[in-house]
Amino acid sequence: AQKITQTQPGMFVQEKEAVTLDCTYDTSDQSYGLFWYKQPSSGEMIFLIYQGSYDEQNATEGRYSLNFQKARKSANLVISASQLGDSAMYFCAMREGGLGSNTGKLIFGQGTTLQVKP
Amino acid sequence: DSGVTQTPKHLITATGQRVTLRCSPRSGDLSVYWYQQSLDQGLQFLIQYYNGEERAKGNILERFSAQQFPDLHSELNLSSLELGDSALYFCASSGDPQREGFYEQYFGPGTRLTVT
Repeated sequence: AQKITQTQPGMFVQEKEAVTLDCTYDTSDQSYGLFWYKQPSSGEMIFLIYQGSYDEQNATEGRYSLNFQKARKSANLVISASQLGDSAMYFCAMREGGLGSNTGKLIFGQGTTLQVKP
Repeated sequence: DSGVTQTPKHLITATGQRVTLRCSPRSGDLSVYWYQQSLDQGLQFLIQYYNGEERAKGNILERFSAQQFPDLHSELNLSSLELGDSALYFCASSGDPQREGFYEQYFGPGTRLTVT
């Protein structure tokens, strides 16, 4: 069965510094997709970044980058130049069944709460 | 704004009651997903519809049911409510998961259900 593990329940980072949020996954699928979502205190889920298992380059979206290490089965989120508005819960997720399945349902990790200090 | 709308935003009801949560997907999206977020269970997939048909089912209780209508909006019905059903219920939408590439899921703002 597929599984996502986020081992850091809470993290602190100083404003303007970079921070890495850890995510490891377990799957037997050959092709799969990994996602990061942000959930601020207001509750909505905001898509941040996606990495496909066959993508040769690490995904980047503005200040977000994904450090994808396939052999280690890790997909860590790196946030550069942290801002106060980055304080939120961050979820790593995987699409179940791989990229060829007929369902796009997501399996989520337990989340990491990030607090950015001024 | 993700383009996914959910109503109501908050719902407070008593044990034993029945409620209906409503979701309208982003324009053009045929897939609708329902997720439940609770403190003890985290974020869990409940059910997925694609163009009116059920496509995948997760750990959805028998007391819960859903459907997707011809106009693609979806409703999640929760009956015989228990205290443990209190949670944030999300609807998400996407394109066809079987097409090439990926389709990220766009989440609605959620419905916070409190059962007293």
